[in-house]
Amino acid sequence: QVQLVQSGAEVMKPGASVKVSCKASGYTFSAHYIHWVRQAPGQGLEWMGWMSANRGGTNYAQKFQGRVTLTRDTSINTAYMELSRLNSDDTAVYYCARQDVALDDWGQGTLVTVSS
Amino acid sequence: EIVLTQSPATLSLSPGERATLSCRASQIINNNYLAWYQQKAGQAPRLLIYGASSRATGISDRFSGSGSETDFTLTISRLEPEDFAVYYCQQYGNSPWTFGQGTKVEIK
Repeated sequence: QVQLVQSGAEVMKPGASVKVSCKASGYTFSAHYIHWVRQAPGQGLEWMGWMSANRGGTNYAQKFQGRVTLTRDTSINTAYMELSRLNSDDTAVYYCARQDVALDDWGQGTLVTVSS
Repeated sequence: EIVLTQSPATLSLSPGERATLSCRASQIINNNYLAWYQQKAGQAPRLLIYGASSRATGISDRFSGSGSETDFTLTISRLEPEDFAVYYCQQYGNSPWTFGQGTKVEIK
């Protein structure tokens, strides 16, 4: 079965960068896009962007342009989301999700807390 | 950017009742690429419906989706205790992908 396992919770200082990993199993990693979605405490879902696991192409939401970088390592079936210049508004649970017909499978989420 | 507006914000119903959730788009969604997700507290979202009306794998037939262009509906025919959750619509026909703000279905 498809599984997306994300890295553990992070506490970061304002201005720092965070890199969250998403290890995929149970399917052909390079055959699907990986998306990243975040959810601030008590809030709704916010789409950040996608990455083609095959060619590495990316598409970012304008809000995150210049601050987010999506990458992958196909040798270990792992996708990464790096967010730079963190501020308190970036405190959220970050999810990776596999695109098939829509966002079919999701990671368990990674809580990133930005605090001085 | 397509804005999705969900209504109502909260739906208070009893088990066994029918739930009707609305999602309205600010522009026509290409190919009716509209999905619905269920999210329970502390859990990741789960895909219920894609392409406006197709049920995802393993989803009960109590869940149905309908609509086209800018107006979409998720119907839960008879609410079971496990259906009380937050529901989000999402469009993936236009970039950037966007989500609605969610409808909470709570026990009355």
